[in-house]
Amino acid sequence: DQQVKQNSPSLSVQEGRISILNCDYTNSMFDYFLWYKKYPAEGPTFLISISSIKDKNEDGRFTVFLNKSAKHLSLHIVPSQPGDSAVYFCAASTASGGSYIPTFGRGTSLIVHP
Amino acid sequence: NAGVTQTPKFQVLKTGQSMTLQCAQDMNHEYMSWYRQDPGMGLRLIHYSVGAGITDQGEVPNGYNVSRSTTEDFPLRLLSAAPSQTSVYFCASSNRDRSHEQYFGPGTRLTVT
Repeated sequence: DQQVKQNSPSLSVQEGRISILNCDYTNSMFDYFLWYKKYPAEGPTFLISISSIKDKNEDGRFTVFLNKSAKHLSLHIVPSQPGDSAVYFCAASTASGGSYIPTFGRGTSLIVHP
Repeated sequence: NAGVTQTPKFQVLKTGQSMTLQCAQDMNHEYMSWYRQDPGMGLRLIHYSVGAGITDQGEVPNGYNVSRSTTEDFPLRLLSAAPSQTSVYFCASSNRDRSHEQYFGPGTRLTVT
């Protein structure tokens, strides 16, 4: 049973517009929520995270919003650029034996058109 | 600083063969993990380790063995390869203080015929 769900396999956006990637989770014990970005033939790279005690975290063009009551988070990219075209994985983690190994969603492929 | 390295990049095996996927990191990270990525399935955790001598199972451990004799290395062994193990394998490491922020290697693409 998926604990982290990304229900949109793909998203297409015009350059300069906002990209919004969504993620839902089921485990209320998750402490951290993360977004990873993956280009073809490369490993994922960490993008941004948010603690469960916050509702927003911003890093340049990237902002993650957390709605704990809805068990929902989203990643906003403003403005979107063609270089943002990649697969974005949502992930969540909770302390298990003291470790925070993330659980990943299935990913959303973002295509930003020039 | 090479980060996380994985060898080989590509491998083709016949059903029943065994092999070891190598993973090494030079960041002195305590935590290391192995994931597999299949189309439409995201990244699924196979095994992980929170330190030398300590390993634990993830979501999909069957058919795989790991060991962690040093901080730097975390090899993944396929005992008897099956076509269902055709996948892209990623190794990751993280610092204990920020263990949710993982650094991934470039991956190994494995095909089992």
